[in-house]
Amino acid sequence: NAGVTQTPKFRVLKTGQSMTLLCAQDMNHEYMYWYRQDPGMGLRLIHYSVGEGTTAKGEVPDGYNVSRLKKQNFLLGLESAAPSQTSVYFCASSDRGPSTDTQYFGPGTRLTVL
Amino acid sequence: AQTVTQSQPEMSVQEAETVTLSCTYDTSENNYYLFWYKQPPSRQMILVIRQEAYKQQNATENRFSVNFQKAAKSFSLKISDSQLGDTAMYFCAFMKPGGTSYGKLTFGQGTILTVHP
Repeated sequence: NAGVTQTPKFRVLKTGQSMTLLCAQDMNHEYMYWYRQDPGMGLRLIHYSVGEGTTAKGEVPDGYNVSRLKKQNFLLGLESAAPSQTSVYFCASSDRGPSTDTQYFGPGTRLTVL
Repeated sequence: AQTVTQSQPEMSVQEAETVTLSCTYDTSENNYYLFWYKQPPSRQMILVIRQEAYKQQNATENRFSVNFQKAAKSFSLKISDSQLGDTAMYFCAFMKPGGTSYGKLTFGQGTILTVHP
């Protein structure tokens, strides 16, 4: 009964370092999303995927890259971390179809860039 | 582009009482979905309730109900018989189904709700 999982849960980086956040879902969902949550701003969409092998830009894509090589996994990469990328990152997934538009979220990753 | 506004940064309520959280949105679409998500201190985002815009009947889920006013573009959440476990940040969210915007949620800024014993 895992649902959506994210690794790692916490990470501290120095400016200029790179890292990859992993999101995995076991619900066979077609759609996956990456959001960032900053104080007072709600969640904002970074990138999303409508199926294996596809990705698209969201609202705030700059400084991030993503890949969806397997249907169950959605990776978020930071090539050269900046302090402005300090945030909490959430992954979500949803199935196709109007009756199953609900997005299910992972527990989040708290990233601090020094 | 759609916008979602939650004008109440913080709210508080006594246990067992009723509280209403406000949300307004701006869109030119006729068909869309609205959601309320709860984020407790654990940070997990939990779906509370959803409403399809084409449905006139307000959605309810146990102690949670919405007042959906499509013409006014208002979507408030009412929590009855408040419990200590309801203490959380609550987010209102909008989604336009179909086309290139499929599945993309737009969130409000959130309302911190504290339930006092």
